[in-house]
Amino acid sequence: DAKTTQPTSMDCAEGRAANLPCNHSTISGNEYVYWYRQIHSQGPQYIIHGLKNNETNEMASLIITEDRKSSTLILPHATLRDTAVYYCIVRVVNYGQNFVFGPGTRLSVLP
Amino acid sequence: DTGVSQDPRHKITKRGQNVTFRCDPISEHNRLYWYRQTLGQGPEFLTYFQNEAQLEKSRLLSDRFSAERPKGSFSTLEIQRTEQGDSAMYLCASSLEAYTGELFFGEGSRLTVL
Repeated sequence: DAKTTQPTSMDCAEGRAANLPCNHSTISGNEYVYWYRQIHSQGPQYIIHGLKNNETNEMASLIITEDRKSSTLILPHATLRDTAVYYCIVRVVNYGQNFVFGPGTRLSVLP
Repeated sequence: DTGVSQDPRHKITKRGQNVTFRCDPISEHNRLYWYRQTLGQGPEFLTYFQNEAQLEKSRLLSDRFSAERPKGSFSTLEIQRTEQGDSAMYLCASSLEAYTGELFFGEGSRLTVL
């Protein structure tokens, strides 16, 4: 079973920041938080991951709370192409453990 | 194109037939994963290889399913005696045995069993 809970769906206006929350209250000290997204009819695409520090790359920012029990993925300027299902996953890095995907959050970016 | 490639992209078959899917991972990646995804659900893990060794199999992988990675490069997933419940998208992913553990997914092979 997935170790994370996410809202089923969210809307965001084009050009605005999209903030996608994720709860992972049972996360272990050696588990990382990963975010993937899946655009319709494509395979999932890696976005970002982090352990406890906030992370930023060209796609998004990841904000992890100090207690690590929740995190937020931020798409700073959402575009219509960001419409997708977003998955939050916790996993031990380099353990060979598989990624357990939940149902994710369906983000709709509206014009 | 240097990403993960899967073939065929679409397969329609009759119940009881056997089907085989192929996955070519990114060339230097030593880990390869198979996932299954049904409509409205997230991908479900099926099995995982490190080089040619199959290290983990899900309970979802019934006796009718078999996966191989004979030379540690491409992999095949065979489903024997297909059932309508096997209709799904079959996704392959690969990764490096490295710090990030990031998975790179292919576009998937969609199976429809009539």
